[in-house]
Amino acid sequence: AQSVTQPDIHITVSEGASLELRCNYSYGATPYLFWYVQSPGQGLQLLLKYFSGDTLVQGIKGFEAEFKRSQSSFNLRKPSVHWSDAAEYFCAVGILGQAGTALIFGKGTTLSVSS
Amino acid sequence: DSGVTQTPKHLITATGQRVTLRCSPRSGDLSVYWYQQSLDQGLQFLIQYYNGEERAKGNILERFSAQQFPDLHSELNLSSLELGDSALYFCASSAPRDHYGYTFGSGTRLTVV
Repeated sequence: AQSVTQPDIHITVSEGASLELRCNYSYGATPYLFWYVQSPGQGLQLLLKYFSGDTLVQGIKGFEAEFKRSQSSFNLRKPSVHWSDAAEYFCAVGILGQAGTALIFGKGTTLSVSS
Repeated sequence: DSGVTQTPKHLITATGQRVTLRCSPRSGDLSVYWYQQSLDQGLQFLIQYYNGEERAKGNILERFSAQQFPDLHSELNLSSLELGDSALYFCASSAPRDHYGYTFGSGTRLTVV
């Protein structure tokens, strides 16, 4: 069955430090992969997505992610974290069914930023 | 404002009751998706509609039902509510042929007491 695992429930990073959030997926076919961010009381905002091609994907707000098929991973990175990056981050895999589509989400990683 | 409108933003109701959550998709989007977000289950896909027709079904309980109307707005009906149904319910929409270009609404927080 398709699944997404985010091993880290909560991460704290100092402002200005680099960030890496881990994501592992399980999916039989070529995956469509996504990272979303959710600020408190808000909906989910798409940071970046990978469909095919270059395995290093650039997104909004200075984020990037690298698809590694051999490791079934799609880790999110940012070279320098800002206090405004504190939020919950979700990795997701896109499932294409016979008639429709869906996103399967991981449980999320909460990012705290310390000054 | 994402363009996806969900009402109401908050809802408090008693066990056994029935509620209706409403979603207006972004202009031009034909697909509507419903997700439930709870602390223990995380974000769970419930159901997808495309131009009025059900297209994909996820972990949606039999007590829950949804529909998409000709004007493309969608309603999620939750009946015989239980304490465990307390959650954030998100709606998302996507454009034709952009199956994964989701735009999420800000959600309806349902509290069952």
